Amino acid sequence: GESVGLHLPTLSVQEGDNSIINCAYSNSASDYFIWYKQESGKGPQFIIDIRSNMDKRQGQRVTVLLNKTVKHLSLQIAATQPGDSAVYFCADAPVQGSGNTPLVFGKGTRLSVIA
Amino acid sequence: ETGVTQSPTHLIKTRGQQVTLRCSSQSGHNTVSWYQQALGQGPQFIFQYYREEENGRGNFPPRFSGLQFPNYSSELNVNALELDDSALYLCASSPTPKSSGNTIYFGEGSWLTVV
Repeated sequence: GESVGLHLPTLSVQEGDNSIINCAYSNSASDYFIWYKQESGKGPQFIIDIRSNMDKRQGQRVTVLLNKTVKHLSLQIAATQPGDSAVYFCADAPVQGSGNTPLVFGKGTRLSVIA
Repeated sequence: ETGVTQSPTHLIKTRGQQVTLRCSSQSGHNTVSWYQQALGQGPQFIFQYYREEENGRGNFPPRFSGLQFPNYSSELNVNALELDDSALYLCASSPTPKSSGNTIYFGEGSWLTVV
């Protein structure tokens, strides 16, 4: 079956540095990808998404890069702040014709920001 | 704030009991999906409700059931609770059943502990 996974389970960065969180997906038919941030005890919070017809998308301090050739997704956080400390999930929404397309999540990467 | 509200926030049940979790979707969203998130894992799709009918199901047994009401709110029912059902149960709402291209908002979840 399809799977969405992450290369690193934990990531520690100094405050002010840039963070890069990576994700690999296996379904070449996937056409939509989302990054979520989940703080302790809370639900996933939408950060940014990207369609498969794009390679890059930027938001406020965040950039998502999509490499369809190697089925790799990354989230870049600029000038990482203590408030960015959380678990980050990538999720994949495979194309399934006219039916529903539930999100497939990876296990997550825990980002710790060192002050 | 995502506009998706869930109740209760925390509850403890005994093995073999039944539980009902509730979700109010974001205004204008007619689709509700439920996910189970075990500790240290990414959310796993349980099922989706659209127009008051189940519209897709993940790999969960029949003792996981649900309802959607005319106002698009939803319930998740779990019968014959098992210890492994202990998890965070997340509700997500979207304007259509398809994930692709839709921003999917999650509630804060209901923490279920089965003892």
